[in-house]
Amino acid sequence: DAGVIQSPRHEVTEMGQEVTLRCKPISGHDYLFWYRQTMMRGLELLIYFNNNVPIDDSGMPEDRFSAKMPNASFSTLKIQPSEPRDSAVYFCASRGTSANTGELFFGEGSRLTVL
Amino acid sequence: AQSVTQLGSHVSVSEGALVLLRCNYSSSVPPYLFWYVQYPNQGLQLLLKYTTGATLVKGINGFEAEFKKSETSFHLTKPSAHMSDAAEYFCAVSETGGFKTIFGAGTRLFVKA
Repeated sequence: DAGVIQSPRHEVTEMGQEVTLRCKPISGHDYLFWYRQTMMRGLELLIYFNNNVPIDDSGMPEDRFSAKMPNASFSTLKIQPSEPRDSAVYFCASRGTSANTGELFFGEGSRLTVL
Repeated sequence: AQSVTQLGSHVSVSEGALVLLRCNYSSSVPPYLFWYVQYPNQGLQLLLKYTTGATLVKGINGFEAEFKKSETSFHLTKPSAHMSDAAEYFCAVSETGGFKTIFGAGTRLFVKA
């Protein structure tokens, strides 16, 4: 089975530009999570969805960040406008509920550099 | 609120030596506990997990961890380190039946030849 697929793997952009990161979760998984990883703050949970509905977005840093999940197989994380401090690796992860053991399956991440 | 503390941001061991990575957690309800490993430029992958039952859990690549409720700890061990074990290791906690997983800051393991 294909794992969690993220794109792009690398993005370099200039301050003020819009950035869109994409994620395809594992088929059948009904929870999707967006994490941000930086040296200073480690792994931070930004937002998570259940059955395409945002459940907890308390980790989203500010209004410049938004996330959507229009269907069960696709999610986006958008930053508009981007700032240098947004530079990080953004991970998408998914999990199912049938086993209910909490294991997360991560994508390979999108490394964002904002100049 | 849940939290995870990993003692030591960097651990260095010689090849063949014991690996011990420390993790303490805080949770108001019985937790699910996890160790994940991250290799360079990759996402995290599950090493092992504790949910219920036996407190000593075995994972992939010869790693194991023991859940000690009285000490609120879930330390990761491996009897003999291999060069390929060099990576970053994350301890994580989620509430039983909950869906929010909180990660520790990570411990980078270096293995010397």
